[in-house]
Amino acid sequence: EAQLLESGGDLVQPGGSLRLSCEASGFSFNSYALTWVRQAPGKGLEWVSFISVSGDDTYYADSVKGRFTISRDKTNNTLYLQMNSLRTGDTAIYFCAKDLGKRYCNSGGCYPLYFDLWGHGTLVTVSS
Amino acid sequence: QSALTQPRSVSGSPGQSVTISCTGTSSDVGHYNYVSWYQQHPGKAPKLLVYDVSKWPSGVPDRFSGSKSGNTASLTISGLQADDEAEYYCCSFAGTDNFYVFGTGTKVTVL
Repeated sequence: EAQLLESGGDLVQPGGSLRLSCEASGFSFNSYALTWVRQAPGKGLEWVSFISVSGDDTYYADSVKGRFTISRDKTNNTLYLQMNSLRTGDTAIYFCAKDLGKRYCNSGGCYPLYFDLWGHGTLVTVSS
Repeated sequence: QSALTQPRSVSGSPGQSVTISCTGTSSDVGHYNYVSWYQQHPGKAPKLLVYDVSKWPSGVPDRFSGSKSGNTASLTISGLQADDEAEYYCCSFAGTDNFYVFGTGTKVTVL
């Protein structure tokens, strides 16, 4: 059975750092783009970042650009999100998700459009 | 990039149909036929229900149907069931500057 399992969420002070992990199993990890989506308590979904199949291309929402870094490790089928300079507004459940396989392509590259497998999420709380 | 606008809540009785609207702009919903819908039960992960405006991923029943007109997409749930009670989010591709914009979410209540 395909699944994603996040970990690493914790209580951290403003300005601190945290690294989230997302372990994949049951599908070909090297064949899909992966993304992080977050959900603040009682709020809606917000896309955070995605990484290409190869890992060479990464993209970020403006709200986290320059502070968060997404990466993937093919040897252990794990996706990561390194979060630095954390703010209270980063408090949320962080979900990792796998690309459906449908892409939008232009001269700049190909980008995933939909996410069909999600983990259960990991809670990040930024508070003093 | 502002969130897509959805009604806060809709409700219906078992067996009835309900429709959720999702209003964006000419930069997202109106520009791309890449609208999706996600269902989220409390405390659970989102589940992809519809993609490409009106297509179903494997395993999703055709009671969930999507459509789009101009800057507004819609999700109709037919034959409402108790398990359909959940939060529903639309999502649109918004180009390679902003990528994805989600809707504000709609709570569906089965009376």
